[in-house]
Amino acid sequence: GAVVSQHPSRVICKSGTSVKIECRSLDFQATTMFWYRQFPKQSLMLMATSNEGSKATYEQGVEKDKFLINHASLTLSTLTVTSAHPEDSSFYICSARAPRGQDLHYEQYFGPGTRLTVT
Amino acid sequence: SQELEQSPQSLIVQEGKNLTINCTSSKTLYGLYWYKQKYGEGLIFLMMLQKGGEEKSHEKITAKLDEKKQQSSLHITASQPSHAGIYLCGADPQAGTALIFGKGTTLSVSS
Repeated sequence: GAVVSQHPSRVICKSGTSVKIECRSLDFQATTMFWYRQFPKQSLMLMATSNEGSKATYEQGVEKDKFLINHASLTLSTLTVTSAHPEDSSFYICSARAPRGQDLHYEQYFGPGTRLTVT
Repeated sequence: SQELEQSPQSLIVQEGKNLTINCTSSKTLYGLYWYKQKYGEGLIFLMMLQKGGEEKSHEKITAKLDEKKQQSSLHITASQPSHAGIYLCGADPQAGTALIFGKGTTLSVSS
């Protein structure tokens, strides 16, 4: 089946620094990737939609200057948390959607997530 | 905007017992997905339902989508400790958009 990877799986950073999280589709081309955030014991909240070659679309309430998204190729999207603060500590999950027509059982695949802790 | 309501919020069952988790949408769904998650880990895909009245089974888990495509249920037969985790239903509001998720159901199985 299709695989989406995320790197790193865990990261601890100091307040004020920036952190980059990578999301890769390993065996298919993803024209669209999505970034979610999950707080402890809560569901996944969509942060933004990342389209290859164009600007990301952010959900209401998500600061685009703080959460920079780049989708430079059909297999890679990155989320950079800039000037991170403790309240940005969370579990970040990406997903990749395969374009229609490819022989895959379902269209959206999730990465294993990245645990960000800001101290 | 579309919302997904999951019930119950949490569930504790004795090993060997059956259980059902429900997911209700305020609007007709394009597609309905069920995932399992262990806290702090990624999502494990269970099943996807797209057609009204569709039912799918995998091992001891059965998922159904009603004819109106607004309600789905996930049924686990003869629960085991390995079934413990958080069950999330996700929906395609439209083809090609991001999934929206219910708040999840935390399942504990006591032996």
